[in-house]
Amino acid sequence: DTGVSQNPRHKITKRGQNVTFRCDPISEHNRLYWYRQTLGQGPEFLTYFQNEAQLEKSRLLSDRFSAERPKGSFSTLEIQRTEQGDSAMYLCASSPGRALVADLHFGNGTRLTVT
Amino acid sequence: QQPVQSPQAVILREGEDAVINCSSSKALYSVHWYRQKHGEAPVFLMILLKGGEQKGHDKISASFNEKKQQSSLYLTASQLSYSGTYFCGTAETGGGNKLTFGTGTQLKVEL
Repeated sequence: DTGVSQNPRHKITKRGQNVTFRCDPISEHNRLYWYRQTLGQGPEFLTYFQNEAQLEKSRLLSDRFSAERPKGSFSTLEIQRTEQGDSAMYLCASSPGRALVADLHFGNGTRLTVT
Repeated sequence: QQPVQSPQAVILREGEDAVINCSSSKALYSVHWYRQKHGEAPVFLMILLKGGEQKGHDKISASFNEKKQQSSLYLTASQLSYSGTYFCGTAETGGGNKLTFGTGTQLKVEL
């Protein structure tokens, strides 16, 4: 179990640019989640995948956000035309699909700063 | 809405006990507890399923009252390593396979 890996750890971008983050889950986990966390707040749900299928996306999520999980392995989260309000820590988590909601294993996150 | 946790923050001396509460306005089928240290990812502590069960390991335990949609985390004989921010994560009945995290409780244990 090598844990959940996220890249890059930090990303600084100018407003209006596109950014893409990558998440490599624990290999035997078939569920993958993306959350966003701002300072002093709990993680906020963005979207989740069961294998390669994106089963739910937050209604609060702008159309500028898109996520993929080709072949049910790693996942990417893309933010188009970034805004300063997108600045946050983006957390990826994976879990085994044994129960309705099993324990989440979080990666160390990608910290995005939009200037 | 996200679950509400209380207290927002608490400072303990090593060896003291603490209770952290989590309350939701939604019908729940499970509650999770996580601890996050500064600059690190949240780490899973335990899951409680509806049925009013109580769980625990070592000196950390929790209970879940599904009728009140409330859960409590109990930390006894606190250690310095317990410091961090505690989040409850709730899974709503009919809400799919995701967690909604609470507002968080900052816990600091001092000598």
